[in-house]
Amino acid sequence: GESVGLHLPTLSVQEGDNSIINCAYSNSASDYFIWYKQESGKGPQFIIDIRSNMDKRQGQRVTVLLNKTVKHLSLQIAATQPGDSAVYFCAENTGNQFYFGTGTSLTVIP
Amino acid sequence: ETGVTQTPRHLVMGMTNKKSLKCEQHLGHNAMYWYKQSAKKPLELMFVYNFKEQTENNSVPSRFSPECPNSSHLFLHLHTLQPEDSALYLCASSQNTGLVRETQYFGPGTRLLVL
Repeated sequence: GESVGLHLPTLSVQEGDNSIINCAYSNSASDYFIWYKQESGKGPQFIIDIRSNMDKRQGQRVTVLLNKTVKHLSLQIAATQPGDSAVYFCAENTGNQFYFGTGTSLTVIP
Repeated sequence: ETGVTQTPRHLVMGMTNKKSLKCEQHLGHNAMYWYKQSAKKPLELMFVYNFKEQTENNSVPSRFSPECPNSSHLFLHLHTLQPEDSALYLCASSQNTGLVRETQYFGPGTRLLVL
């Protein structure tokens, strides 16, 4: 089966600092990746995606980096704000099904 | 708001009850999904519907019965559940044909507790 994992289950950052959340995947055939944010009591919210023909993609305050060589995905959040506190998880698609990670809980310290 | 709504948001039921979860998407999508989210576990795909036809059933017990009357509505009928079925049940939708490389948009989920 697929293995989509995150290096750290929890992450605390100071407000205004940058956050980096990591994700490892096991299937080298995966070619589409999504980062989701899930706040308490809510469903997952799409943040940003990236396809395997890219190694970087930027959104508003977020950047996703894809390293296919080591099968690693990261989400960078610039100038982290209290509203960024949530669980973040990655999802990979092999063309058959999405596989989701368990998530990293990000806490922003005011 | 993601354009995907779910009702009820919370549900408590006994093991002999029958209840239904409802999902509605206002995005004009053609594919809809049911996922189970348990604490500290990855999302588990349960069912996929594409143009109202079920295309995936990930070995889900028969006590869970999905129904998709049209591309905008999805139900999950529950009967004789077990306590281990307690979880957050998430509905999602995507634009086109099923799972392949399409962004999925999630509803807020139904928090289910089986006593």
